[in-house]
Amino acid sequence: DAMVIQNPRYQVTQFGKPVTLSCSQTLNHNVMYWYQQKSSQAPKLLFHYYDKDFNNEADTPDNFQSRRPNTSFCFLDIRSPGLGDAAMYLCATSRVLGRSYTQYFGPGTRLTVL
Amino acid sequence: SQQGEEDPQALSIQEGENATMNCSYKTSINNLQWYRQNSGRGLVHLILIRSNEREKHSGRLRVTLDTSKKSSSLLITASRAADTASYFCATIVYGGATNKLIFGTGTLLAVQP
Repeated sequence: DAMVIQNPRYQVTQFGKPVTLSCSQTLNHNVMYWYQQKSSQAPKLLFHYYDKDFNNEADTPDNFQSRRPNTSFCFLDIRSPGLGDAAMYLCATSRVLGRSYTQYFGPGTRLTVL
Repeated sequence: SQQGEEDPQALSIQEGENATMNCSYKTSINNLQWYRQNSGRGLVHLILIRSNEREKHSGRLRVTLDTSKKSSSLLITASRAADTASYFCATIVYGGATNKLIFGTGTLLAVQP
């Protein structure tokens, strides 16, 4: 089945230790998104790729970076995680940046920062 | 903030009852979407309603949209324990070549068996 896969599902890191979260998709969608979701809050968009074009949200901290080496994969790098970065990180894809599109989400990676 | 608001924040009902969630948003929209999120999981798209539609049905789901009031509601009829989840409305913000979803604050629905 076509889907959005995130690895790992749970990630524990230490304060200040870089961490990379992975997302892959078999949907062949050209847009991929990364969201941060803290407990009992709505998902907050960090950035997205439209093909190779990277679009950063204005309020996304510099501590968060992303790479998209090909259509199928997208990575979220947190260079120096702080306690406030503990959250669920959701990857999503959509077909095109059209006006009536839906997003397909992966199961998320829950990040714990010790 | 462009984020929409949902109410109630939490809703607890008995199995078989109907559940209604409301969403208000701030900007003009082309369409509004509803997503469901089971605990600790990703979001799943439920239904999309366009700005020129007033009501839409999908199975046990009924969505209404009032663009004059910038509000939408999601009705789940004959609820089941498996409907227990958080429900988010989302609107699209257009920004030239890039569009993005803005999610509401969410309603946590608990359906008691």
